[in-house]
Amino acid sequence: AQSVAQPEDQVNVAEGNPLTVKCTYSVSGNPYLFWYVQYPNRGLQFLLKYITGDNLVKGSYGFEAEFNKSQTSFHLKKPSALVSDSALYFCAVREDGANNLFFGTGTRLTVIP
Amino acid sequence: EAGVAQSPRYKIIEKRQSVAFWCNPISGHATLYWYQQILGQGPKLLIQFQNNGVVDDSQLPKDRFSAERLKGVDSTLKIQPAKLEDSAVYLCASSRAGTTTNYGYTFGSGTRLTVV
Repeated sequence: AQSVAQPEDQVNVAEGNPLTVKCTYSVSGNPYLFWYVQYPNRGLQFLLKYITGDNLVKGSYGFEAEFNKSQTSFHLKKPSALVSDSALYFCAVREDGANNLFFGTGTRLTVIP
Repeated sequence: EAGVAQSPRYKIIEKRQSVAFWCNPISGHATLYWYQQILGQGPKLLIQFQNNGVVDDSQLPKDRFSAERLKGVDSTLKIQPAKLEDSAVYLCASSRAGTTTNYGYTFGSGTRLTVV
């Protein structure tokens, strides 16, 4: 069975500093990994995905994520945080052969001016 | 392209009442999903349609929840009767057939249900 863990409910970072939002996963076979962002009163927006290939994936709004197979992790990163990055971030995984995405519990990112 | 449309945005009902949510996916998207997002939790899949057929409804509480996608386009999700624990945001998402892996989903803004 597939599962996703986001160990931090809340991450605070100062504006301009690098940010990391952590995600680990468990699947059978090859993982397909996604990050979504949710702003208040909005639906989830796709940020980036890892399917295969280069372990460092670049996505929208300057975000990137690194796939680490040995650590079964897919941490979201950004070199310099903006106040506008403050939102709820969800990691999701699709197991090979599964029909849909399984989401983590989310991490609330707050960027402090 | 237009996004996934959902209505209403907010709904407050008393327990044991019934409620219905509507979703219009992106044109041409064959796959439609309903997710339930309880406060403080990640979205949980309720039901997945491929055109007008159900692919996965294993997590749908069928004693009170029902969903349909007539003609393979719009979809409605109904709760009857509602319980307090049904308070959540109900998210609709769509994707092109067979492309979830490549493109993920496009989500609507959701319907926030409060059961009192």
